[in-house]
Amino acid sequence: DGGITQSPKYLFRKEGQNVTLSCEQNLNHDAMYWYRQDPGQGLRLIYYSQIVNDFQKGDIAEGYSVSREKKESFPLTVTSAQKNPTAFYLCASKWGSGANVLTFGAGSRLTVL
Amino acid sequence: EDKVVQSPLSLVVHEGDTVTLNCSYEVTNFRSLLWYKQEKKAPTFLFMLTSSGIEKKSGRLSSILDKKELFSILNITATQTGDSAVYLCAVALLYNQGGKLIFGQGTELSVKP
Repeated sequence: DGGITQSPKYLFRKEGQNVTLSCEQNLNHDAMYWYRQDPGQGLRLIYYSQIVNDFQKGDIAEGYSVSREKKESFPLTVTSAQKNPTAFYLCASKWGSGANVLTFGAGSRLTVL
Repeated sequence: EDKVVQSPLSLVVHEGDTVTLNCSYEVTNFRSLLWYKQEKKAPTFLFMLTSSGIEKKSGRLSSILDKKELFSILNITATQTGDSAVYLCAVALLYNQGGKLIFGQGTELSVKP
């Protein structure tokens, strides 16, 4: 079955540590996105990539980094510079920037202790 | 600044009730409006609306868009406990803005037996 796999589902880290969240899709989608979800704030865009080896900042990119070396993979690194990293992170993809409907992964919940 | 606002933010009803969820938007370069249902994890796609006045329907759920007044509603009739979820409204922008979706805060619906 095609879909998006995010790992890990739950992650705990200490302050000052970087952590990388994995996102892999087998849908052959060109565009991939990372959103952050906090209670009462909906989804906010962190980074997105329309093609391999290219990505753009979203609305809240500070303290995050990404790479897009393969079409299937779009990992997100939460760095120690992110002031409030505890959140639910959702990865999504779609055929291309001209398509409308996003397919989402099941999410990764990061808790900073 | 592009903005999507949902109301109410939370709602508690009893099985069998009918509910109406609201979504208003202020964006440049509107392409379409989408509704998603999120039960704990990955949001799942419900409807995409691009034209005013044309109702989309799926079982007990229906939605309509008003592009003049810049809002959409999602109706759920004869609610069931399985309808309990967060309902997300999102607006898709034109492709030259990376095909981004701008999300509202979500409406948390709780259906009591």
